[in-house]
This record gives sequence, C-alpha cells and structure tokens, in this order.
Amino acid sequence: AQSVAQPEDQVNVAEGNPLTVKCTYSVSGNPYLFWYVQYPNRGLQFLLKYITGDNLVKGSYGFEAEFNKSQTSFHLKKPSALVSDSALYFCAVRDRAGDMRFGAGTRLTVKP
Amino acid sequence: DTGVSQDPRHKITKRGQNVTFRCDPISEHNRLYWYRQTLGQGPEFLTYFQNEAQLEKSRLLSDRFSAERPKGSFSTLEIQRTEQGDSAMYLCASSSHSDTQYFGPGTRLTVL
Repeated sequence: AQSVAQPEDQVNVAEGNPLTVKCTYSVSGNPYLFWYVQYPNRGLQFLLKYITGDNLVKGSYGFEAEFNKSQTSFHLKKPSALVSDSALYFCAVRDRAGDMRFGAGTRLTVKP
Repeated sequence: DTGVSQDPRHKITKRGQNVTFRCDPISEHNRLYWYRQTLGQGPEFLTYFQNEAQLEKSRLLSDRFSAERPKGSFSTLEIQRTEQGDSAMYLCASSSHSDTQYFGPGTRLTVL
C-alpha cells in the first residue's frame, strides 16, 4: 500500500527567504504525487501534481516541487516566501486505482 | 461558484443522535470521495463513488456510517448513533475519472 511521510511538523522561514517542505513516499509502481494547502477552517486547495514528465513541477501561487525517484521524495519549494503562505501543507500519493493517502501535514509559518 | 460545496459547514449534536451531511461535487466530475480529518492529521479516506456506484469503503467506515449517491450527482454521508470519537472535519472531494481531487470546505462535526 502507498504511504507518505512529512518529516517536519513545523517549518519556520522569514519572509523573502526560500522555503522547502519535505515529503517522501512509498508506492508500488509509478507514483502520482500531489501537494495541497489548507487554511484555517477550510478545505484543501490543490497546489500541484506530478504524474509523469519533467521532474520539476510548477503549481499555483509560485510553488514548485521536485520529483526525485532515487530518493523517493517530492519536496515543495518556493523561491521567496510570503507571510500569506503561512498554512498547513499536505503531501499525498495516489496509486493507479485512485486511492489517495495523505501525509500528516506540515505547518508553515512565514514571519515578517 | 462551481466548486465542491458541502452543507452544513458546522454541526453540533448530542451523543446518540443521527446526523447527515451533503456534498455537491463539481458538475462534470464522476468521482466523489469522502474523507475524515482530525486535528493535527491529514485527511483519512472513508469511501468513494464512481457515478452512483460505491466502489470502495475504508475500514474506518463502521456500520454506523453510510453514504449514498443515488443519482450520481450529490452525495450524503449519514452517521447513526454518533459518538464523541466521531467529532472531526468531514471533507468531500470530486474528480474527473482518477484525475486531481478538488475538495469542498468541509463539515465540522462536534459531538457533545
């Protein structure tokens, strides 16, 4: 069965600095990988996905993620963080059947 | 608004009562998913529908839980004889075939 690990419960960065939110996965076969963001008392908003193709995937709000097959990782990145990026970020992996598994989430805090 | 909608947004009930939640997916999406999310955790898969057929149910979905999607459009999730442990955010998502899942705002259930 597929699984996802987000090793950091919390990430703190200063506004304007680059940010990275880590994610590693385990899945049999080719992975379908996703990042979602959740603001307080809201549902999840889709940021980006990797299905196939270029290892660097660009998504919403200036976020990007790099798929690394050898390290089974799919880290979320942004070159310059904004205070408004502060939220809960979830990595997810899906198998071919469509069954999605989410990580426990990483709380990103961007300080002015 | 053409996104996924859920109703109600908040529900407070007493232990032992029955509750029903509704989800209206994005209109052209044939797949509909239910998840449960507790504080500090990622969403946990409960069940999903392809059109009106319920194709998979998680072990988390006890006998007290039932979901329907009678006409392949909106779905309802009913919890009978609620327990305090049922308190959570219930999220609905929809997708076209097995593509990206788009989430609704969720229904927050509090069982007193």
